[in-house]
Amino acid sequence: GAGVSQSPRYKVAKRGQDVALRCDPISGHVSLFWYQQALGQGPEFLTYFQNEAQLDKSGLPSDRFFAERPEGSVSTLKIQRTQQEDSAVYLCASSLGTESSYEQYFGPGTRLTVT
Amino acid sequence: EDKVVQSPLSLVVHEGDTVTLNCSYEVTNFRSLLWYKQEKKAPTFLFMLTSSGIEKKSGRLSSILDKKELFSILNITATQTGDSAVYLCAARFTREYGNKLVFGAGTILRVKS
Repeated sequence: GAGVSQSPRYKVAKRGQDVALRCDPISGHVSLFWYQQALGQGPEFLTYFQNEAQLDKSGLPSDRFFAERPEGSVSTLKIQRTQQEDSAVYLCASSLGTESSYEQYFGPGTRLTVT
Repeated sequence: EDKVVQSPLSLVVHEGDTVTLNCSYEVTNFRSLLWYKQEKKAPTFLFMLTSSGIEKKSGRLSSILDKKELFSILNITATQTGDSAVYLCAARFTREYGNKLVFGAGTILRVKS
């Protein structure tokens, strides 16, 4: 498919478990973003990659959150020792990153529930 | 603090009505305003507005940006049940390492048949 894909779509974790969420951006998209969306809220920025470089991680809520994009394509968001407040939908978005084509294309998200 | 505020929080209308959704923003180094539609899954892109006073249209949807008053509106005419969704607006701004988006909480639109 031509869109952004994410896996898994749903994840249930017990408190204290580690989870890994995957994002496959649109081919050729330079920029990749991770967002956290709580129920009834808009997406909140977590981190940003330009190719393989993580240029902004100011939105990561704690040092339990870690993201990587080692080859400049697929990205993984890892959450260690999950807590209940981590329950949310995690959205990945990609964009060409050029000034004239900045719109971000979102994946379907991963709904994480921590019990 | 950079922020985007949307109003109303929710809206219920009948098919055929016209609705106006509001978005105000306060960000430094503002670049553009984006609108998305979210229906239980990924937000889908509607518009990106960079210049003040120039209306963008797509079918029954239109949007305009006022950079002096720091707001944007999204109009939907002749609403249909398929327009029911959460409408998100986001302000794009420049930081040290490129552009970022800050989203509003969204407006929940429900169109009744």
